Amino acid sequence: EPEVTQTPSHQVTQMGQEVILRCVPISNHLYFYWYRQILGQKVEFLVSFYNNEISEKSEIFDDQFSVERPDGSNFTLKIRSTKLEDSAMYFCASIMDTPRSYEQYFGPGTRLTVT
Amino acid sequence: AQKITQTQPGMFVQEKEAVTLDCTYDTSDQSYGLFWYKQPSSGEMIFLIYQGSYDEQNATEGRYSLNFQKARKSANLVISASQLGDSAMYFCAKRDSTGGFKTIFGAGTRLFVKA
Repeated sequence: EPEVTQTPSHQVTQMGQEVILRCVPISNHLYFYWYRQILGQKVEFLVSFYNNEISEKSEIFDDQFSVERPDGSNFTLKIRSTKLEDSAMYFCASIMDTPRSYEQYFGPGTRLTVT
Repeated sequence: AQKITQTQPGMFVQEKEAVTLDCTYDTSDQSYGLFWYKQPSSGEMIFLIYQGSYDEQNATEGRYSLNFQKARKSANLVISASQLGDSAMYFCAKRDSTGGFKTIFGAGTRLFVKA
């Protein structure tokens, strides 16, 4: 069964440092997403990415965040200068196409801890 | 702003009994998709069931069924014959049919299955 993979599974960083979270979406998927989940809270949309550009982003996704698909397989989320409140689980997800494709495949998540 | 409401922060059910998890949503879209995800303590997001807004029949997937009432904007999840392994967090979610096709999530219901 196809799966979305994410690395690392857990990242610990100091406040102010840059982090890059990596995802490998399913190979024939076209739409890619990042979501975050602060511990004990709901899953929040960050950004969607299609055709090598951002198609939509939330108000959480400010100038500290960026996404990239550098090589046709990886999909990365960069946080330039981490804050304590960035500590959360970050999920990558992908969809084959829309609107008929209904299943959004989630990766296992990267737990980011900012100290 | 669109909103997904899950009014039950926690639910208990006896093993082998059925349980209904409530979900209502707020939208002006005509076309959209509704989803339920399970999140066990390990943290991954597991897709359970999908309902399209134009689907005439309620979706079913094994022990999961979705009680879709479009006029009331509700999409309740029914789990039949509960098992101990069903103990988890359950999220109701809605996907946009325009823009970046993002998914927005409810706050979740934590289900506890008692032996």
